[in-house]
Amino acid sequence: DVKVTQSSRYLVKRTGEKVFLECVQDMDHENMFWYRQDPGLGLRLIYFSYDVKMKEKGDIPEGYSVSREKKERFSLILESASTNQTSMYLCASRSASSYNSPLHFGNGTRLTVT
Amino acid sequence: GNSVTQMEGPVTLSEEAFLTINCTYTATGYPSLFWYVQYPGEGLQLLLKATKADDKGSNKGFEATYRKETTSFHLEKGSVQVSDSAVYFCALGDYGQNFVFGPGTRLSVLP
Repeated sequence: DVKVTQSSRYLVKRTGEKVFLECVQDMDHENMFWYRQDPGLGLRLIYFSYDVKMKEKGDIPEGYSVSREKKERFSLILESASTNQTSMYLCASRSASSYNSPLHFGNGTRLTVT
Repeated sequence: GNSVTQMEGPVTLSEEAFLTINCTYTATGYPSLFWYVQYPGEGLQLLLKATKADDKGSNKGFEATYRKETTSFHLEKGSVQVSDSAVYFCALGDYGQNFVFGPGTRLSVLP
């Protein structure tokens, strides 16, 4: 089974802090994604990556950046955390071999910014 | 662009009742369709998928059939259990790298 591991389940940070959310997948997937999930707003794509060192903006990239130095790891960075970034963050990966490939999700990181 | 519409719920059923969660889609190409389930405090798990018209995806007693003529992919289960209480997401994947998700339907099953 594909395993996508997010480093923290719960995180509490202060406004203005730099925050790193880490995600690792073990299936050699080319594509990786970061979503945030908020009540009433569903899943919204922040950034995605086709391959190592490649990144593309999603629907809501403002206030975030990403890093993909190794194929298995995709990091989401909040440069200066704000209270409106309090949310559930979900990482996912997907094989690029076929358009039929599903997304595989981690268990999520619930981030609270105070 | 592509889009997915699903009933938002919440849906409340008694144990052993029949479940239907409606999902319709709009797509310009020939997408694959997916149902994901999210249990409290967890990420999304793939429940089932269908990759072409008339395909039926099934898993854990859940089924959905890819209907191109009605652009639908409704989720069904003949007899729900309390353990099926979760949020269900319909999703569409196309040749591009991104997925499109519906808003999710919260299901509560009462004993």
